[in-house]
Amino acid sequence: NAGVTQTPKFRVLKTGQSMTLLCAQDMNHEYMYWYRQDPGMGLRLIHYSVGEGTTAKGEVPDGYNVSRLKKQNFLLGLESAAPSQTSVYFCASSPLRVNTGELFFGEGSRLTVL
Amino acid sequence: RKEVEQDPGPFNVPEGATVAFNCTYSNSASQSFFWYRQDCRKEPKLLMSVYSSGNEDGRFTAQLNRASQYISLLIRDSKLSDSATYLCVVIRYGGSQGNLIFGKGTKLSVKP
Repeated sequence: NAGVTQTPKFRVLKTGQSMTLLCAQDMNHEYMYWYRQDPGMGLRLIHYSVGEGTTAKGEVPDGYNVSRLKKQNFLLGLESAAPSQTSVYFCASSPLRVNTGELFFGEGSRLTVL
Repeated sequence: RKEVEQDPGPFNVPEGATVAFNCTYSNSASQSFFWYRQDCRKEPKLLMSVYSSGNEDGRFTAQLNRASQYISLLIRDSKLSDSATYLCVVIRYGGSQGNLIFGKGTKLSVKP
């Protein structure tokens, strides 16, 4: 019962380094999302995808890129990490447009940028 | 004004107490409402939807007041295991897919 799996779970980067977070879901969901969660800020949408090969910007997309080459995978890239990108990143998926309000979240990836 | 606002708490209550959280939303176009629960250092999970007529799930009752633009969550007979952060979620239709808005959460701590 994997559901939504994120890798890596923890990562420390130096300013300017690049990295990719991988999100994989085994529920055949169409929609996938990347959020970041910061103390006092709540969950904020970075990018999302409504299907394989499509991506769109969310509320806070600057400094991030995404790709959805396969339906089950949604990658979040940081080309040049900045300390402001220190956060907990959550991937989520849903089968349809979120009318039901239910997103299935991964366990999160904790990123620290020094 | 933030689109979805919650009292951050923390709410510290003894076991067995009844506690209520409110969440206000500013956009009258908001159509659907939900409560999520997030345990410390864990991912958010859907707790319950909020219907116009109000709805109950065991010890949990959710209500919606469209006129005053707020939703509430009532927890009766609090358990230690209810300690978590409760996130209010609002969906606006008519826009892009990215229209699911999370509140910042209300922290609940239930003490023995």
